[in-house]
Formats: sequence, C-alpha cells, structure tokens
Amino acid sequence: GEDVEQSLFLSVREGDSSVINCTYTDSSSTYLYWYKQEPGAGLQLLTYIFSNMDMKQDQRLTVLLNKKDKHLSLRIADTQTGDSAIYFCAESMNRDDKIIFGKGTRLHILP
Amino acid sequence: EPEVTQTPSHQVTQMGQEVILRCVPISNHLYFYWYRQILGQKVEFLVSFYNNEISEKSEIFDDQFSVERPDGSNFTLKIRSTKLEDSAMYFCATVGESQDEQFFGPGTRLTVL
Repeated sequence: GEDVEQSLFLSVREGDSSVINCTYTDSSSTYLYWYKQEPGAGLQLLTYIFSNMDMKQDQRLTVLLNKKDKHLSLRIADTQTGDSAIYFCAESMNRDDKIIFGKGTRLHILP
Repeated sequence: EPEVTQTPSHQVTQMGQEVILRCVPISNHLYFYWYRQILGQKVEFLVSFYNNEISEKSEIFDDQFSVERPDGSNFTLKIRSTKLEDSAMYFCATVGESQDEQFFGPGTRLTVL
C-alpha cells in the first residue's frame, strides 16, 4: 500500500543548511508535498513538486525529486530558529485525492 | 487571503458522547476532506467528500463517523459515540477546481475523557 517514510529527528546549527529526506512507495504519485507544522499549530504547505519535475527552488527552499528511487528531499538554506518545526513529507495521486503523510521530521536548531 | 476555518478550536467531551466538528471551507471550493492527527503521530486521512457524497473513506472512518454539508457552507464531522482513542487533532481541508493545493484549517483538538 501507499507509504511515506522519513527520519524522525534532525539537528542543525543555525546558519547551516538542513536536508530532510523522504521516500515513498506509490510510483503513481503525481504530487509530492512538504508541510510544516509548528508546535500546537496547523499544517502549512511549504512547497510541492510534480512528479515530472526533478527540482524546484523557492527562496531558501530547494526540493529534489529522484523519481526512479522514489526519494524526495527538502533543503533549507541558512537555517534559522524560526525553522524549528516538524516537517511532513506527503504525496497524492491527483490534486483532489487524499494526501498520504509521513510521520514527520522534527527539525531542531542548535545555537 | 481566503482560509479554511474550524470550530471549536478545542472540544472536551465525555466518552460515549456525540461531537460535531465544524469546518467552513473556502468559498467555491468543491472538494472537502477530514484528517486526524493523534498526538505525536502522523496525519491520517479520514474521508473525502465531493458533490454531496463521500468519495473515499479510510478504514478509520467506521460507522461512528459521518460527514455532511447541512447548509451548503459548513462541512461537519460527527462522531456518534466518542471513545478515548478518538482524542486527536482533526483537520479539515478543501480544494478548489483550479488549484493544486489542499488548504488546511487550523484544526480542532478533541479530548475525550
């Protein structure tokens, strides 16, 4: 069945780059997402990429997709304390289909 | 910017009671969803709703759950007889015809005692 896997924790020094990795199983996924969740808050869509793309850049965020390996990564350049949150990798087959989420990676920023 | 709203933000109820969680979708959005997130766990899909009927539901969405659009604007999730394990954050999401993004509401935290 559909599954999304990601590591649970990542610690990064302030100013360094953070790279959060994710793998998914459903090769028919068309949309791949990164959501951010701050403590006690809802889900904020950071960015998404179509499965026919291999890279998308949006300011400090870079998403890389390796469709062959079903591997997705999110790179946050110049990590700031405000980036401290849980980052969820997610996928869906179509834009109006259910979204399947990973368990989330908790990003901890070291001073 | 338009947004999805949910009420209440926090609901505390006794086991066995019925609860209704409400969502006001973005105007003109046609696809609606409920997800839940048990504390510390991942976000799980419950149900999708389109054209006034359920289009897909997960195995979590058993007979205790129901959804409806009672007045054409609100989108509700009803849990008939709550259990302790229903305690979670419940998120509503909506999608418009011409958009790629599911817009999520801020969530309702349900606590069952």
